[in-house]
Amino acid sequence: QKEVEQDPGPLSVPEGAIVSLNCTYSNSAFQYFMWYRQYSRKGPELLMYTYSSGNKEDGRFTAQVDKSSKYISLFIRDSQPSDSATYLCAMSRSTLGRLYFGRGTQLTVWP
Amino acid sequence: GAVVSQHPSWVICKSGTSVKIECRSLDFQATTMFWYRQFPKQSLMLMATSNEGSKATYEQGVEKDKFLINHASLTLSTLTVTSAHPEDSSFYICSARPDDTYEQYFGPGTRLTVT
Repeated sequence: QKEVEQDPGPLSVPEGAIVSLNCTYSNSAFQYFMWYRQYSRKGPELLMYTYSSGNKEDGRFTAQVDKSSKYISLFIRDSQPSDSATYLCAMSRSTLGRLYFGRGTQLTVWP
Repeated sequence: GAVVSQHPSWVICKSGTSVKIECRSLDFQATTMFWYRQFPKQSLMLMATSNEGSKATYEQGVEKDKFLINHASLTLSTLTVTSAHPEDSSFYICSARPDDTYEQYFGPGTRLTVT
């Protein structure tokens, strides 16, 4: 069993839709949870960073962590064509620990 | 700020030759840099952690003699793929972590094709 599971999609939604992206994990030692956005042929860029369980909101993006279920989510409100990218979840056991990535979910937002 | 560059962005080489990839942090110092490998539609897999002035720490299953890492300065780390084979063809991405933060900043990646 992989430590981090993420449905690769692809996911295709119309502009303005609410997008829900999810990851599950098996290692209860993970404490720090991240979402990265990766455009084609580019390196990932950090979108959201959360510690332990709870919600965090930043503009149109909301990250949720449920440690009891080992489940994390990223919600994108009012999705835009510019949101079309691959979204990767990542997590680590400590602040400076190595990152464990999901496979990434490919999202397309069409006008 | 916090820009990481990689060079080259794309390289084709013949089987048996060696290829060097550079990773530079352009506007910050990074004692620690990371090298990842990404296959199509797969997650980023950490290959090694590069520390300035010391030997790199390789992940299990990564051949240290094949993937040579040199972190010569606080802004430069290099990955050399020695005696490359077609199965080494992949997307190699580096990241750098500023000394005063947890966040890793990723380079744009290098696509290696071995023929």
